[in-house]
Amino acid sequence: KAGVTQTPRYLIKTRGQQVTLSCSPISGHRSVSWYQQTPGQGLQFLFEYFSETQRNKGNFPGRFSGRQFSNSRSEMNVSTLELGDSALYLCASSYNTDTQYFGPGTRLTVL
Amino acid sequence: QQQVKQSPQSLIVQKGGIPIINCAYENTAFDYFPWYQQFPGKGPALLIAIRPDVSEKKEGRFTISFNKSAKQFSLHIMDSQPGDSATYFCAARKGANNLFFGTGTRLTVIP
Repeated sequence: KAGVTQTPRYLIKTRGQQVTLSCSPISGHRSVSWYQQTPGQGLQFLFEYFSETQRNKGNFPGRFSGRQFSNSRSEMNVSTLELGDSALYLCASSYNTDTQYFGPGTRLTVL
Repeated sequence: QQQVKQSPQSLIVQKGGIPIINCAYENTAFDYFPWYQQFPGKGPALLIAIRPDVSEKKEGRFTISFNKSAKQFSLHIMDSQPGDSATYFCAARKGANNLFFGTGTRLTVIP
């Protein structure tokens, strides 16, 4: 089975712009979760989507949003980018509430 | 507030040694405790996981010890190899796909 794929792998944006990241889960997996990884804050949960509905949400501002499509693919959007949004954004998929499998991440740099 | 506390921050062992990484938590609602291994430029990969009704679990050279009363769990790597050099994260989950991660331990295994 193919693993979790994320596109793009690298992205450079400037402050104030918006960005959309994409995640394709493992075939058959219905849950997609997003995490932000930074050297200072470590790995932090953003939100989880299951069957096109947001099921859980972490403590991030409303500038961070997401959605899931009927084929379970998910997108994450960050609006009005700030320097502090520079991070590795990781997507993880699972069948339901069992093991989460992570993708390679999208490295976002905000200048 | 860090929900899962991990130590040490870094660890250096000789090849064949047994590095031990420790984690502690407070929330008794956590029901699943995975360990992830992350290499530079890659997403975290699941190593081994345990549920709180089990005190020990082994998979290959990796062992989790779990102490429910002390709210602590640890990862032991038997016969460590240079290829085990990576960052290790403990995590805890409460019922849904929202993982709370420790701050990570950078392990270096010297040949």
